[in-house]
Amino acid sequence: SQTIHQWPATLVQPVGSPLSLECTVEGTSNPNLYWYRQAAGRGLQLLFYSVGIGQISSEVPQNLSASRPQDRQFILSSKKLLLSDSGFYLCAGARDRGREQYFGPGTRLTVT
Amino acid sequence: KNEVEQSPQNLTAQEGEFITINCSYSVGISALHWLQQHPGGGIVSLFMLSSGKKKHGRLIATINIQEKHSSLHITASHPRDSAVYICAVGNGGSNYKLTFGKGTLLTVNP
Repeated sequence: SQTIHQWPATLVQPVGSPLSLECTVEGTSNPNLYWYRQAAGRGLQLLFYSVGIGQISSEVPQNLSASRPQDRQFILSSKKLLLSDSGFYLCAGARDRGREQYFGPGTRLTVT
Repeated sequence: KNEVEQSPQNLTAQEGEFITINCSYSVGISALHWLQQHPGGGIVSLFMLSSGKKKHGRLIATINIQEKHSSLHITASHPRDSAVYICAVGNGGSNYKLTFGKGTLLTVNP
């Protein structure tokens, strides 16, 4: 079965510092991959999705970027964090271009 | 863009009660998903359905495509069912994407 790994579980970063969150997928190849953010009191919001290596689509304009250097690796980055970047970040994957998504454990980011 | 509305936002029940959570959406979809988010934040997919009804243990999900409405039922609720339940609707082929409701916080008291 498909497993999504994310790290770290929690992160506290100062405003203006860089960010790199990594997501790796186990148990499938060529998955669709997604980065979501859940801000306090709000629903999940799709940030980026990728259908293959080097292919990234952005859903909302923001301070973040994503990259997919390998088939099973998806990275969320920022050069300079803002307070508004605080939230719970989830990576998800869908195997074989399917519809059912499997979620990672998430990273809780607090920007201070 | 699809709007996904869930009700109620918060629900408190006594152990053993029958629970219903509702979800409505505004635009036609490929499939509807029910997800469960535990206090630690992890999300588990409960159901994916595009018509009719699905059952898994004490959980039942139904969808009415014409009405653009889905319900999640929990029979004989238990404190371990306490979680946030999230409705999401999906569209697209190879670029399949989900739009999420804000979730329903369920608390089941012993």
